[in-house]
Amino acid sequence: EAGVAQSPRYKIIEKRQSVAFWCNPISGHATLYWYQQILGQGPKLLIQFQNNGVVDDSQLPKDRFSAERLKGVDSTLKIQPAKLEDSAVYLCASSPAGRGVSGELFFGEGSRLTVL
Amino acid sequence: QKEVEQDPGPLSVPEGAIVSLNCTYSNSAFQYFMWYRQYSRKGPELLMYTYSSGNKEDGRFTAQVDKSSKYISLFIRDSQPSDSATYLCAMTSLKTSYDKVIFGPGTSLSVIP
Repeated sequence: EAGVAQSPRYKIIEKRQSVAFWCNPISGHATLYWYQQILGQGPKLLIQFQNNGVVDDSQLPKDRFSAERLKGVDSTLKIQPAKLEDSAVYLCASSPAGRGVSGELFFGEGSRLTVL
Repeated sequence: QKEVEQDPGPLSVPEGAIVSLNCTYSNSAFQYFMWYRQYSRKGPELLMYTYSSGNKEDGRFTAQVDKSSKYISLFIRDSQPSDSATYLCAMTSLKTSYDKVIFGPGTSLSVIP
């Protein structure tokens, strides 16, 4: 079974530029998550989708971050304009509807963003 | 006070040692507890999960939950160099199946051959 795919793996931009990250979840997983992981910290949830609807985006900085999940499959996370403090790894995760019995989130390898 | 706290380490132990990793939390509504392992430049992967208080064992790994003290632990017996990674505790309230999962900051572990 293919895992969660993310691209690009690495991105370096200057502040005030824009960047977009793409995620393809595990086939059949209805729930998709975007997490931000700053160096030395645990993942912080930015947004959670159930199919193509938003379940939780309370910690998404909506003045600069946006995310969409068209057709309930792939998702894109965009940052515009980027700030220095956005330097982090952006992790995409997916799970069956809700989180199943084990509560497991299946993570991709992440997209590492450096803002100069 | 942060919702979930964890000693960041780094923790360095010799091969074969017993490792104890711990987290404390403040939200008494949490009742579902997980440990994720994250290798360098990789995404986290679920190691173990437990529901409410008690112990759970899986091979060399044992997870303990003490809800009265708001304290959870992961023990690794006979540690191996392949156990070198960051260990993240995570928890959720499970009031609904979509409740937010809160992660601790992680403890970096190195097992020296």
